Amino acid sequence: SAVISQKPSRDICQRGTSLTIQCQVDSQVTMMFWYRQQPGQSLTLIATANQGSEATYESGFVIDKFPISRPNLTFSTLTVSNMSPEDSSIYLCSVLRGVGDTQYFGPGTRLTVL
Amino acid sequence: SQQGEEDPQALSIQEGENATMNCSYKTSINNLQWYRQNSGRGLVHLILIRSNEREKHSGRLRVTLDTSKKSSSLLITASRAADTASYFCATDAMETSGSRLTFGEGTQLTVNP
Repeated sequence: SAVISQKPSRDICQRGTSLTIQCQVDSQVTMMFWYRQQPGQSLTLIATANQGSEATYESGFVIDKFPISRPNLTFSTLTVSNMSPEDSSIYLCSVLRGVGDTQYFGPGTRLTVL
Repeated sequence: SQQGEEDPQALSIQEGENATMNCSYKTSINNLQWYRQNSGRGLVHLILIRSNEREKHSGRLRVTLDTSKKSSSLLITASRAADTASYFCATDAMETSGSRLTFGEGTQLTVNP
């Protein structure tokens, strides 16, 4: 398994501001992902965070709104930019050591936008 | 409909009973994973079953996979109040690269003491 931490665990933000969420893994992993879980719903993949290159975004998500960094094999950040109340969600990072392996999730960041 | 649909949406049982949750999907998969989520927290991985496997066990959990019907089931035996949570299936589709998971809508399980 993998030990994954996220910061912050929760935050309340004002409309129009931005928040950067950090994801730290206790060992090197091949792949890191960012998901969003809107209230009462399931998880939706935002993007794959690629080490050393730009993230790969899923349909409906764009880099300007959700810029992602992955400077090394154990760390990634997701920024939620120019927030609106519709961005209120739980944001989760996940990691994968190898293709087809178990995907492990962090504890999530609960974001509320007023 | 989305890849990974689950039924029932909600299930309420008494402690000691068995709980069965089902997941259907639409495309060929590499594997299917089941997760548990307690009240808005992070996801806990339960079991991964590969496309060439039909059944896996882990403690009180039993997962089956029927690739011909594109469906999976999660059975929790002798349920406990602590099993109360949302349960999600997630598929790693063959048609997509990079092991990206598509999640079902989830089943909210309530185990009454």
